[in-house]
Amino acid sequence: DVKVTQSSRYLVKRTGEKVFLECVQDMDHENMFWYRQDPGLGLRLIYFSYDVKMKEKGDIPEGYSVSREKKERFSLILESASTNQTSMYLCASSSDTSYYNEQFFGPGTRLTVL
Amino acid sequence: AQSVTQLGSHVSVSEGALVLLRCNYSSSVPPYLFWYVQYPNQGLQLLLKYTSAATLVKGINGFEAEFKKSETSFHLTKPSAHMSDAAEYFCAVSDRGSSASKIIFGSGTRLSIRP
Repeated sequence: DVKVTQSSRYLVKRTGEKVFLECVQDMDHENMFWYRQDPGLGLRLIYFSYDVKMKEKGDIPEGYSVSREKKERFSLILESASTNQTSMYLCASSSDTSYYNEQFFGPGTRLTVL
Repeated sequence: AQSVTQLGSHVSVSEGALVLLRCNYSSSVPPYLFWYVQYPNQGLQLLLKYTSAATLVKGINGFEAEFKKSETSFHLTKPSAHMSDAAEYFCAVSDRGSSASKIIFGSGTRLSIRP
């Protein structure tokens, strides 16, 4: 069965801390994505990766960076967390062999920055 | 460029009533369209997808959606709502011009079910 896992379901951090969110998929997918979800704004793409060590900015990359050293793992990094980064973070993956590009999602990490 | 618009951020229906969630799309190429569902405190789950094989698409949990090119719509319906259908629903379109299978999501519609 398809599976995307995220390292934490809930996370509380302080302003200025460096935060790592980890995502692992076991489907050998080429593409991985990080979104943030806020009420009324839907899902907004932060960064995505289409291959190991390859990354591209999404719609809202400011304040974030990513790392993809292995195909199955995609990390989101908040270099210096701020209160406006309090949000739900969702990781997803998809396969290049899927003609229709459907994405598979992890359970999400609800991050609170105090 | 592709985009989707979901009409109504919140829909409330009685248990047993028809569910209708509206989605309109904009696309310069034949679109691939999706409906995803998000139950409370969970990630998104694919409900159904339109891939041009048939205009009426059946998904999980009794949901279906009809692709209407003339109306640029892809509305989601279910004949009889169940309490377990309470969730947030996202319409989405595949961004076929992107470098890596991106999907563009609508802003979501929260479905509430009244007993």
